[in-house]
Amino acid sequence: DTGVSQDPRHKITKRGQNVTFRCDPISEHNRLYWYRQTLGQGPEFLTYFQNEAQLEKSRLLSDRFSAERPKGSFSTLEIQRTEQGDSAMYLCASSPITRGSYNSPLHFGNGTRLTVT
Amino acid sequence: KNEVEQSPQNLTAQEGEFITINCSYSVGISALHWLQQHPGGGIVSLFMLSSGKKKHGRLIATINIQEKHSSLHITASHPRDSAVYICAVTPSSGTSYGKLTFGQGTILTVHP
Repeated sequence: DTGVSQDPRHKITKRGQNVTFRCDPISEHNRLYWYRQTLGQGPEFLTYFQNEAQLEKSRLLSDRFSAERPKGSFSTLEIQRTEQGDSAMYLCASSPITRGSYNSPLHFGNGTRLTVT
Repeated sequence: KNEVEQSPQNLTAQEGEFITINCSYSVGISALHWLQQHPGGGIVSLFMLSSGKKKHGRLIATINIQEKHSSLHITASHPRDSAVYICAVTPSSGTSYGKLTFGQGTILTVHP
């Protein structure tokens, strides 16, 4: 079990460029989440996948954001035409579906820190 | 007002002290989570609880569902406990599981 891994760890980009982040969840975890965290704040939910299906998407996610999980394993989060307000830590988390229990602890990656200049 | 409020926002302690961090929430929940975040971003899940009390090593988490309040206690604190401690809830109101609502975090610094 290598944990949840995110790539890259840091990304610096110029305003207007597109960026893509990748998340590899723990292999047997069906559920995958993306969160965004700005400095001094707790994380905010962005979107949720169960296997390859994107089941919920926050209103925080504008049309410039898109997330995919094509084979139900790794996921990508793309931001098009980046803006300075997109600068944040983007966190990925995964969890298993546990028989008989609605809740399971989340396992977080170390995040991708995006800086838009 | 945020749905999840933590206090204090900042906490400084001397090594060995008993520490308490509080979390109050205003929505119905199916679970409450305590998380630890170190500089650099990584978040570790410490506890997930829906009633009563859980203990792991020097950490104890309690929850009072009627009062919508939870506490995280650290006994015999150590400088390596310095981190941000975050309370988060899974609302019970039909949202996706795992769509956590987070508090703003408590920055804990333990001095030797």
